[in-house]
Amino acid sequence: GQQVMQIPQYQHVQEGEDFTTYCNSSTTLSNIQWYKQRPGGHPVFLIQLVKSGEVKKQKRLTFQFGEAKKNSSLHITATQTTDVGTYFCAGHSNYQLIWGAGTKLIIKP
Amino acid sequence: ETGVTQTPRHLVMGMTNKKSLKCEQHLGHNAMYWYKQSAKKPLELMFVYNFKEQTENNSVPSRFSPECPNSSHLFLHLHTLQPEDSALYLCASSQPGQSYNSPLHFGNGTRLTVT
Repeated sequence: GQQVMQIPQYQHVQEGEDFTTYCNSSTTLSNIQWYKQRPGGHPVFLIQLVKSGEVKKQKRLTFQFGEAKKNSSLHITATQTTDVGTYFCAGHSNYQLIWGAGTKLIIKP
Repeated sequence: ETGVTQTPRHLVMGMTNKKSLKCEQHLGHNAMYWYKQSAKKPLELMFVYNFKEQTENNSVPSRFSPECPNSSHLFLHLHTLQPEDSALYLCASSQPGQSYNSPLHFGNGTRLTVT
């Protein structure tokens, strides 16, 4: 079946370091969405990418959609404690929304 | 701040109990969803309702029974659950009339524990 693989499962960083999570789909996606789930919370929509090669920025967050529309990444520059949580990608293919398993961002004390 | 409200937040039930989860959305959306979230796994879509009509049932066991009386309310009736059904159950809504690709708005979820 259709899958979206998301790596890594966890990433531990020092505050101020960068963070990146990657999603790879087994099929071409019509678009990809990114969500953030804080500890104890629910997924919250961050952004949607639609075009091949699209890059969007939200302050310290940079989202990319691959040229083949099969992969995507989220990069956070200079992480802060407020960035803690799990980041999910979800791609649309054949009218289905296929979720990655998420990458948990942990800030080292 | 969520426009999607779920109750209860936490539920502990025995395998022989019957309980219901409730979801209400105040966003004027026409599509509502039930998702199951288990640790270290992708979100699992359970049911989709568009304009009160069930459009998707992802091979969910019959011990889970959805009900959508109108576009703003969604229920998940539970009976004779198994311990492996323990998870976070998330309700979501979206506006598919604009696009099939509209973002989902989630409620806070119900943390279900089956003993």
